[in-house]
Amino acid sequence: GQNIDQPTEMTATEGAIVQINCTYQTSGFNGLFWYQQHAGEAPTFLSYNVLDGLEEKGRFSSFLSRSKGYSYLLLKELQMKDSASYLCAVSLASSGGSYIPTFGRGTSLIVHP
Amino acid sequence: ETGVTQTPRHLVMGMTNKKSLKCEQHLGHNAMYWYKQSAKKPLELMFVYNFKEQTENNSVPSRFSPECPNSSHLFLHLHTLQPEDSALYLCASSARLAGGDTQYFGPGTRLTVL
Repeated sequence: GQNIDQPTEMTATEGAIVQINCTYQTSGFNGLFWYQQHAGEAPTFLSYNVLDGLEEKGRFSSFLSRSKGYSYLLLKELQMKDSASYLCAVSLASSGGSYIPTFGRGTSLIVHP
Repeated sequence: ETGVTQTPRHLVMGMTNKKSLKCEQHLGHNAMYWYKQSAKKPLELMFVYNFKEQTENNSVPSRFSPECPNSSHLFLHLHTLQPEDSALYLCASSARLAGGDTQYFGPGTRLTVL
């Protein structure tokens, strides 16, 4: 079966750095997404990694190690508005022959002053 | 603004009712998805359509019936639901069913089954 793990909840202080980890044990891996979801809102795309290494986008960076089945999302200079759920999703080959994102449970990040 | 709209935003229905959820995307995408999001659970894929054809049915009970009349519209018809079906139902679209294509989500319909 497919297994995607990420911590349920994390807390951090405004201005700090936080790293949200995601590990996966899957077959047919094509790449890994990170989405952000504020309470009561739709998930929005943050990043997609298909090759090993770190990709940086402003305050947010995402890392992937395919051999270790591991990714992390790094958030720098945390702001209160970064309080949200962060969803790790692995792009997997489906029985229908296409690639479908399979989501983890999400990590609820609480940023406090 | 995501370009994917869903109606209604909130729905309360009894177990014997029949209702429909509607999703519309204005992004020119070819793939559309229905997901179920329950508290403390991962997003669960329900159905996938590509160019109006259903490509995935993730063992969803028959009380949920999808319909995709064209690439821009997706419906989820509901009948004789159970209280455990109460959840947030999210629609998404992507340009294609390719591995790296970003999904764009609608705001969801919060469904409560009494």
